[in-house]
Amino acid sequence: EAGVAQSPRYKIIEKRQSVAFWCNPISGHATLYWYQQILGQGPKLLIQFQNNGVVDDSQLPKDRFSAERLKGVDSTLKIQPAKLEDSAVYLCASSSREAGYTEAFFGQGTRLTVV
Amino acid sequence: AQSVTQLDSHVSVSEGTPVLLRCNYSSSYSPSLFWYVQHPNKGLQLLLKYTSAATLVKGINGFEAEFKKSETSFHLTKPSAHMSDAAEYFCVVSEGSYIPTFGRGTSLIVHP
Repeated sequence: EAGVAQSPRYKIIEKRQSVAFWCNPISGHATLYWYQQILGQGPKLLIQFQNNGVVDDSQLPKDRFSAERLKGVDSTLKIQPAKLEDSAVYLCASSSREAGYTEAFFGQGTRLTVV
Repeated sequence: AQSVTQLDSHVSVSEGTPVLLRCNYSSSYSPSLFWYVQHPNKGLQLLLKYTSAATLVKGINGFEAEFKKSETSFHLTKPSAHMSDAAEYFCVVSEGSYIPTFGRGTSLIVHP
């Protein structure tokens, strides 16, 4: 089966610009996650969707970050305006009821560099 | 609240010697525990998971981990390291449904 797809793989922007990342989860996976992984740290959950509803966005900086999953499949994560400290790898993952929601499958991530 | 502590930021071993990556967790409930591996410029890959079944869990590539509730530990081991094992390893804890918290990671360095 196809894995979690993310694009772009790499992005370089100037601070105060906006950027968007796209994620296509594994087919049929109802749960989708966005993580931020800063260099040298473990991934930090930004937001979790169940179908098109938000389950947890407590660590999402809502003044600049937004995410949506309008049809319960693909998702986009946006940063506007970007700051230097947003430089990180943004990981998307998905999980399914069939797997008991006990593990997530990760995409390769989008590496964002803010200069 | 759940949390996980990876006790070593770097572990260095020689090829063919045993590997031990340490992880302690904190959880209010019976947790699920996971180990993921991340090779450079690659996605996260699940090595193994514990979800309240057998306390000794076997994973891929010869890795295993033992859940010890009394010690709140879930250490990852491998009898003999291979050069291809060099990577970043993450211990993950999750309570209830999969709402995971990652540790900071342990970098495994394997010397020839």
